[in-house]
Amino acid sequence: AQKITQTQPGMFVQEKEAVTLDCTYDTSDQSYGLFWYKQPSSGEMIFLIYQGSYDEQNATEGRYSLNFQKARKSANLVISASQLGDSAMYFCAMREEWTGGFKTIFGAGTRLFVKA
Amino acid sequence: DTEVTQTPKHLVMGMTNKKSLKCEQHMGHRAMYWYKQKAKKPPELMFVYSYEKLSINESVPSRFSPECPNSSLLNLHLHALQPEDSALYLCASSQDPGGGYEQYFGPGTRLTVT
Repeated sequence: AQKITQTQPGMFVQEKEAVTLDCTYDTSDQSYGLFWYKQPSSGEMIFLIYQGSYDEQNATEGRYSLNFQKARKSANLVISASQLGDSAMYFCAMREEWTGGFKTIFGAGTRLFVKA
Repeated sequence: DTEVTQTPKHLVMGMTNKKSLKCEQHMGHRAMYWYKQKAKKPPELMFVYSYEKLSINESVPSRFSPECPNSSLLNLHLHALQPEDSALYLCASSQDPGGGYEQYFGPGTRLTVT
C-alpha cells in the first residue's frame, strides 16, 4: 500500500520569506511521479511542480522548487519569497501504476498562511 | 486553452432526484478523472477514463454512474444519493493517462444532498 504523509497541518510564514512544506511517501515501485498542487479557498486544484522518480535534478518552477531526497523518500516543496496569494492548502501527491492505469494519491495537505 | 470547465458550480438535490455533473476540456487530453473531496480532506479518486474507456473504478457505489461521450466530455450521473455524498466533486484531465503527466482540475461542483 502506498502512502503520502504531510505532517504539518498548518504553517505560517512571513511575506517575502521562504517556506518548506514537508512530504514523505512510501512506495515499493521504482517508477513513480511526485506532484504538488495548490488549492485556494475557491476550491480549484492548481498544479505547481512535478518530480519523476528517475529525475536526478530537483525540479524548479519559478518560485517553487522540490527538494527530492529519494533515499529518504521525501519530496518537500520550497516556496521562495512568499506572497499573500500563496495562502492556500497545499497537497503532495504521488502517481503510481495500478491495475487498469495510473492513480494519483494525495496527502492530507498543509494549510499555509502568509502574514503581511 | 488550459481550462477544464464544470457545470453546475453548485447543486442541491434530494435523495430521490436524478442529476448530472458535466465536465469539459478542449486541450486534447486523453485521460479524464472524477474526484470527490470532503471538507478539509484531500481529493479521493472515483473514476479514471483513459482514451474514452473506463479504466479505474475505485469501488464507487452504483448511485454514481460515469459517462464519457467523447474525448472532451465527462459526465457523472447521480441517482438516489445519500446526505453523506455531499462534497466537492472535481473533474480533472491529463494529456496522457501515464504516470508523468500533471492533472488539470476544474473548479468543481459543490453538491449538497438533502
